Amino acid sequence: DVKVTQSSRYLVKRTGEKVFLECVQDMDHENMFWYRQDPGLGLRLIYFSYDVKMKEKGDIPEGYSVSREKKERFSLILESASTNQTSMYLCASSPIQGQGKTGELFFGEGSRLTVL
Amino acid sequence: GENVEQHPSTLSVQEGDSAVIKCTYSDSASNYFPWYKQELGKRPQLIIDIRSNVGEKKDQRIAVTLNKTAKHFSLHITETQPEDSAVYFCAATPFYSSASKIIFGSGTRLSIRP
Repeated sequence: DVKVTQSSRYLVKRTGEKVFLECVQDMDHENMFWYRQDPGLGLRLIYFSYDVKMKEKGDIPEGYSVSREKKERFSLILESASTNQTSMYLCASSPIQGQGKTGELFFGEGSRLTVL
Repeated sequence: GENVEQHPSTLSVQEGDSAVIKCTYSDSASNYFPWYKQELGKRPQLIIDIRSNVGEKKDQRIAVTLNKTAKHFSLHITETQPEDSAVYFCAATPFYSSASKIIFGSGTRLSIRP
């Protein structure tokens, strides 16, 4: 089974703190994603990466950065946390579509971040 | 970029009845349309998907239809059961050899009434 592991299930941080959310996948997937989930807004893409050291902005990248130094690990960084970044953060990975693979997303369990 | 709209945001149906969730997309380059189900407190999981070269796909009680001309696709659940209660997300993405930017709709909370 594909396993996507997020380092923290629950975090409480203060405004202005630097926050690291880490995600590790064990299936050698090329693509990794960070989504933010808020009620009524669905899953909004923050950043994604299709290769080591490669990253592309999603729909809501402001206030976030990412790092992908190794294929299996994709980190989301909040340089200076703000209260409007209180949310559920979901990491996902997927293989490249083609060669019999659909590009299905495999999600982690989520990290619920509260910024006070 | 791609924009996916999903309706309705909430849906309540009697157990045994059918449920239909509809999505529209904006990018004509999109050609892969997955549906994910998220049960309460759990991670989203793929339940069915369809590619643009197919108009309909079925898997037991679940079916998805696609109209590329109109840029809309729908999820149909027949003979609904309590375990179908969940949030359902549609998504759209172009089939690229490398990066696949997968954009989701805002979700539909489906409740099955006993």
